[in-house]
Amino acid sequence: GENVEQHPSTLSVQEGDSAVIKCTYSDSASNYFPWYKQELGKRPQLIIDIRSNVGEKKDQRIAVTLNKTAKHFSLHITETQPEDSAVYFCAAKGPKWGPTGTASKLTFGTGTRLQVTL
Amino acid sequence: DTEVTQTPKHLVMGMTNKKSLKCEQHMGHRAMYWYKQKAKKPPELMFVYSYEKLSINESVPSRFSPECPNSSLLNLHLHALQPEDSALYLCASSGRGTSGRETQYFGPGTRLLVL
Repeated sequence: GENVEQHPSTLSVQEGDSAVIKCTYSDSASNYFPWYKQELGKRPQLIIDIRSNVGEKKDQRIAVTLNKTAKHFSLHITETQPEDSAVYFCAAKGPKWGPTGTASKLTFGTGTRLQVTL
Repeated sequence: DTEVTQTPKHLVMGMTNKKSLKCEQHMGHRAMYWYKQKAKKPPELMFVYSYEKLSINESVPSRFSPECPNSSLLNLHLHALQPEDSALYLCASSGRGTSGRETQYFGPGTRLLVL
């Protein structure tokens, strides 16, 4: 099955600096890579995602890059703010799955605790 | 609207109790999921329903029993749980949306404590 590794496990940056979180995956058939942000006691919230036919995607201060050949993808947060402090999970999804092809099995990375200090 | 709701928010139960967790979505999604999340760990998939049929059971003990009464509702029935089952139980759904059919949206979770 799919295996997703995520680094670093903790990351501390000063407000205004950039933060980069990296993930690698094992299954070359994986084709969808979401990133979730989870604040303490809250639900995981999708912040950005990328499909295997795209190399980079940006949404304001957040960007994700994908290198299919190397099987790794990264989250980049620029101009970090204290409210960016949270745990970030990357995930990978294999090809359509389930009897009707509608369900998607996500394999999550182990998470990165980002702390943005003033 | 990308909201998945769950009840109750918190639940304390003894090892001999029977309780149920409930999840609801009105996004027209046809896949729904139960995850278990322990502190400082990623969500761990338990069950997947696709078109109201159980598609995947990730070798979950029988003391957890899922049910999908209709396309909007998902239940998780709990019986004879162990203290190590204490965790945050998350429901998610996926289907058509602005982000695509495979995007999973999570509910707020039920924080379960088994005494």
